[in-house]
This record gives sequence, C-alpha cells and structure tokens, in this order.
Amino acid sequence: QVQLQESGPGLVKPSETLSLTCTVSGDSISSSPYYWGWIRQPPGEGLEWIGYIYYRGNVYYNPSLRSRVTLSVDSSKNQFSLRLNSVTAADTAVYYCARPGRVGPGAEYFQHWGQGALVTVSS
Amino acid sequence: QSVLTQPPSVSAAPGQKVAISCSGSSSDIGNNPVSWYQQVPGTAPKLLIYDNTERPSGIPDRFSGSKSGTSATLGITGLQTGDEADYYCGTWDSSLSVVVFGGGTKMTVL
Repeated sequence: QVQLQESGPGLVKPSETLSLTCTVSGDSISSSPYYWGWIRQPPGEGLEWIGYIYYRGNVYYNPSLRSRVTLSVDSSKNQFSLRLNSVTAADTAVYYCARPGRVGPGAEYFQHWGQGALVTVSS
Repeated sequence: QSVLTQPPSVSAAPGQKVAISCSGSSSDIGNNPVSWYQQVPGTAPKLLIYDNTERPSGIPDRFSGSKSGTSATLGITGLQTGDEADYYCGTWDSSLSVVVFGGGTKMTVL
C-alpha cells in the first residue's frame, strides 16, 4: 500500500521560501515508473496542480508557477520535495503530495494522496 | 479561474440520483481521459473515476463516469448522506502540458 506524508513548516513569511517534503512508503521512488506530484488547495477553493517529477529528474511544472517552483528527489531517503520562493498570501493553501495512477508524463489522475499540509503565508 | 467548468452546487434527496457535469475544450477533455475525485471537507481528495469510466477497487458501482466530446459527467445513484462532499473533475491539457481540474461541485443530500 503506497502512503505519502507531507512535512514542513506550517507558517512562512511573505517573500520567503516555502519548503515541503513528501516521504513515501510502500513504493521506491528510485525504481518506480511513476512521476511524483504536488497539488495545492487554497482555503475554500479548488485544486491546483503544481507539478511532478520523475526520479531521474524529468520535471513538469504548472506554467503559472514555473518561475517560482523547484521540485527535487532524494532517492536515498525515498522523499521528494517542493520549494516555492517569493511567497505571498495567495500561496496560503493545503499542499498535497500525490502519486499518479498512470506512468509517464501526461499522467492525469492521482491515485494516492498524502493527508495534506496547511501552509500559511503571514508575517 | 479553473480550466474545466463545473456547476458550483447540486442537491438531491437520499436514494435519488444526481449528475455532475464537467465542461472543457479540445485541448483537455476532448483529447484526454477524465478523472473524478470526492473530497470530504478536511480530508484529501479520493479518486472515484479514472479513464472516463473506470472505478478503482473499493469504489461502489453507484458512482459512474461518462464522456462525450469536450464534456464529462459523474453520476451518483442511490444517494446517501455520506456522499455529501465536494466533487472535482480533472484531466490533462495537451496544449499547456498541465494537469487541470474543475472548480469543484458541492453536493448536498437533502
């Protein structure tokens, strides 16, 4: 059973960098054929795909966030991470890590989700 | 503003059926499979339907999906109070190379 768990600071100051890590169990990132993704949801709003990454470094980003987002993988810890810089209050959201249900780029549905991590941007 | 268009809310009585629509374009729904998620407030989305019509194991057949052209529909029959949740559609946008979601539909069981 694949399980994902987000971790990281719940409060980030404006203009600083948001950093979250997703720890995976039940699958090995370095041998899995799947991409590993991030999705966020502002309070009371809908879902927004941030991007996903393959363990070899292939990355797809949402164009609306591409200039501020970096995804990375740490295979030795079976983790992948999200960094979002120059944050504003508009980046306040629940951030989910997730694994698609289909291999390869263009995987459009997510079968496994973390429980989500609320990150608030405030001074 | 979401790429895919869903009604903000739908409602029906227990035991009845409801349909939730999801409208897109040729670059997304028109050329890619659609998925549907159920999200109970305070919890992560749960995959209900993928590949337009397929249900993951454990999802009851009260939930069904269909697609025609640039629109998709989630159907729920035999409504239960436990079905009250927000429902989202999603797909791939081939022109932008992004995963896109609908704005969500709040389903109320009266």
